[in-house]
Amino acid sequence: AQSVTQLDSQVPVFEEAPVELRCNYSSSVSVYLFWYVQYPNQGLQLLLKYLSGSTLVKGINGFEAEFNKSQTSFHLRKPSVHISDTAEYFCAVSGSNTGKLIFGQGTTLQVKP
Amino acid sequence: EPEVTQTPSHQVTQMGQEVILRCVPISNHLYFYWYRQILGQKVEFLVSFYNNEISEKSEIFDDQFSVERPDGSNFTLKIRSTKLEDSAMYFCASSEGQVFDEQFFGPGTRLTVL
Repeated sequence: AQSVTQLDSQVPVFEEAPVELRCNYSSSVSVYLFWYVQYPNQGLQLLLKYLSGSTLVKGINGFEAEFNKSQTSFHLRKPSVHISDTAEYFCAVSGSNTGKLIFGQGTTLQVKP
Repeated sequence: EPEVTQTPSHQVTQMGQEVILRCVPISNHLYFYWYRQILGQKVEFLVSFYNNEISEKSEIFDDQFSVERPDGSNFTLKIRSTKLEDSAMYFCASSEGQVFDEQFFGPGTRLTVL
């Protein structure tokens, strides 16, 4: 069975500051890892994904994430956030033989001016 | 840009009533999913659908739930006899492939069971 833990429910940060949203997973098999973002009144949108290869993955809107197998983590980072990055961020995993996504609890990123 | 659409955006129903939530996936996609999010909780997988049959379902997806692709464009989730605990946001998603292809999500239907 797989599970995902997002360690922070809310992350307040000032505009232009760096941010890291933490995600840890557990799985007995190989997984694929994803970060999704949800803006108010919208569906979830894929930010980036890790399938294999380079552990540093770059996504849309300047976000990147690093897969760390030994720490079973997939933290999301952005060097300088904007007000428009205010949203809910979800980390998710899927197994190598299923499309089912298992989500973390979500982290609300609040960017303040 | 193609997108997944869902109707209605908000559905209010009485306990015990049947509801049908509708989704129009992206037209060339082959795999379809339903997820739900109870307020304050995680987004949970309900069911995946491919080639006109269920490919995987969760423990939540019991006999009260069913899915259908009635006309080649719509993808529906039916709850036969709603319970209070079915109140949640229901998300439809679709993807071209299965395992690691991006799932495109609709904006969701908020179901309120009174």
